Amino acid sequence: NAGVMQNPRHLVRRRGQEARLRCSPMKGHSHVYWYRQLPEEGLKFMVYLQKENIIDESGMPKERFSAEFPKEGPSILRIQQVVRGDSAAYFCASSTTSGPYNEQFFGPGTRLTVL
Amino acid sequence: AQTVTQSQPEMSVQEAETVTLSCTYDTSESDYYLFWYKQPPSRQMILVIRQEAYKQQNATENRFSVNFQKAAKSFSLKISDSQLGDAAMYFCAYRAGTYKYIFGTGTRLKVLA
Repeated sequence: NAGVMQNPRHLVRRRGQEARLRCSPMKGHSHVYWYRQLPEEGLKFMVYLQKENIIDESGMPKERFSAEFPKEGPSILRIQQVVRGDSAAYFCASSTTSGPYNEQFFGPGTRLTVL
Repeated sequence: AQTVTQSQPEMSVQEAETVTLSCTYDTSESDYYLFWYKQPPSRQMILVIRQEAYKQQNATENRFSVNFQKAAKSFSLKISDSQLGDAAMYFCAYRAGTYKYIFGTGTRLKVLA
């Protein structure tokens, strides 16, 4: 059973460009979570999605950031008009259900560098 | 608000020795999970050990064990017989009756040959 897949692993963008980060959850997992890790910090929750629904986006910046998890295909985290402060590692995790007794499995992350 | 604090930015241990990494947390919940994750240079988040708050017995996974003190809200990780491959960032994390993990800022562990 393949783990959580993220691509690309490394992404370089210039200021003002768009960044698209993809996450394919583990087989059988219908819940996806995105986290951001700024340099020298721990991971911070951004958004929780189920198929075609955003459940909780309380950790997402109000502007330029959006996420989706379509019926078919991977979850996408989209950052428009990137700025240098967006440089970070973005991790996706997936689970079969939500709730306190269900573990999230993390992908390898995408490291975004904004020049 | 729930918080996780790792007060040791960096620790060093001699190969084959034992090291303890500290973690404290703050919560008003009674039922929750605590985790230690290892993040090597590859940045992959690897689950090391997990503890359910309702269990009094400390979790153990081979060379890794925890000292869980619920009243003190303390959750330390002990690594015995340290190996060079244990060198990494270690993150303490908390999860209550929701889906949000709350991570500490991490401890960088260096293993000296």
